[in-house]
Amino acid sequence: AQKVTQAQTEISVVEKEDVTLDCVYETRDTTYYLFWYKQPPSGELVFLIRRNSFDEQNEISGRYSWNFQKSTSSFNFTITASQVVDSAVYFCALSEADAGNNRKLIWGLGTSLAVNP
Amino acid sequence: DAGITQSPRHKVTETGTPVTLRCHQTENHRYMYWYRQDPGHGLRLIHYSYGVKDTDKGEVSDGYSVSRSKTEDFLLTLESATSSQTSVYFCAISESLAGGGGTQYFGPGTRLTVL
Repeated sequence: AQKVTQAQTEISVVEKEDVTLDCVYETRDTTYYLFWYKQPPSGELVFLIRRNSFDEQNEISGRYSWNFQKSTSSFNFTITASQVVDSAVYFCALSEADAGNNRKLIWGLGTSLAVNP
Repeated sequence: DAGITQSPRHKVTETGTPVTLRCHQTENHRYMYWYRQDPGHGLRLIHYSYGVKDTDKGEVSDGYSVSRSKTEDFLLTLESATSSQTSVYFCAISESLAGGGGTQYFGPGTRLTVL
């Protein structure tokens, strides 16, 4: 069973629209971390944010914001006033503190965002 | 940006030949990782290293070996390349393990084509 689900495979918006990328995760651990990465068309993977399971405060960084809700096991990412440069594939990932799993990130399959002028 | 380089950036090779990809970091991070990225599969961990000469297998390690003789270098070898190993390979580094909240920073990737 997939532990990180990004249900939106592709999203297309027009510039200046707000867009939310969904991430739902499954874990039995009480201590875990959630990440978002961006992969622009050039191909590199860029770290955006890390959130630990004990910090449910929402995070805002410029036009980017993240909504972490443990009650729904979601860690959603919103881009406000989207721009063409936001076009990329966005990945959500989970790491668990359990001794057997603590070496790796569990990745979602990504959401491809196209922002059209 | 984390100082991570990968070489080569692109490679075309033939089935059956050995191939070595290199990852070099200037951050002195303890942990290094090799992933492959394929459509429909996302990122999958091949091998990782938790120190010089200390390595372990990931989820898709068959057909791959690794070596780490220096903190800054992590080599991935395809012992006898097959077409199924055509992929984009990413190296990553972190100061601590993922389960400890370690953020992984990625290199630019190597696009490998096996004919």
